[in-house]
Amino acid sequence: DTGVSQDPRHKITKRGQNVTFRCDPISEHNRLYWYRQTLGQGPEFLTYFQNEAQLEKSRLLSDRFSAERPKGSFSTLEIQRTEQGDSAMYLCASSLPTKGTGTGGYTFGSGTRLTVV
Amino acid sequence: DQQVKQNSPSLSVQEGRISILNCDYTNSMFDYFLWYKKYPAEGPTFLISISSIKDKNEDGRFTVFLNKSAKHLSLHIVPSQPGDSAVYFCAARDSGNTPLVFGKGTRLSVIA
Repeated sequence: DTGVSQDPRHKITKRGQNVTFRCDPISEHNRLYWYRQTLGQGPEFLTYFQNEAQLEKSRLLSDRFSAERPKGSFSTLEIQRTEQGDSAMYLCASSLPTKGTGTGGYTFGSGTRLTVV
Repeated sequence: DQQVKQNSPSLSVQEGRISILNCDYTNSMFDYFLWYKKYPAEGPTFLISISSIKDKNEDGRFTVFLNKSAKHLSLHIVPSQPGDSAVYFCAARDSGNTPLVFGKGTRLSVIA
């Protein structure tokens, strides 16, 4: 297993354009998370899936953002009509669900760095 | 409202000495805490964790201490090595398996 893969690693786009990022989680992990990290901040939760079901969305996820995980495997995150404030590192992570005091650690991908110009 | 706070943006330590990174939390429902390490241009990697039923967990050079009454945890690295230079994030979740909440991170520099 090669871990969590994210594509592309870097994306530069003009303001107003749409962008789509892909995440391939660890195959046996049924939970997939999207986080966003800006300079000087920690990862901020955006949304997560258990299998193909999107279970929670953060208030950070405006209407311009949409995420899918159609077959419970890979996931895509689309940003429509990008704005300069969308510039950030978008991190994907996967995990197995844990109960109570289980490990609960996520495996993160290397991220997609988005720059909106 | 920051539920997980890392009040020191940076820390410099000499090689061989102890590094102590601190983290405070406000949500009393948190019962599981993790530390992640992040190098530039890479995603965070899991380092060590502790559940609220313990007050200490040790893994090699890394030890995490939890003080529930103070809502405070700390990560001790001893001895510190230059390869430990990275940003360290504290994270927490509750027993309902909600997504992890991260602090802003502390940049550790270990000077040879």
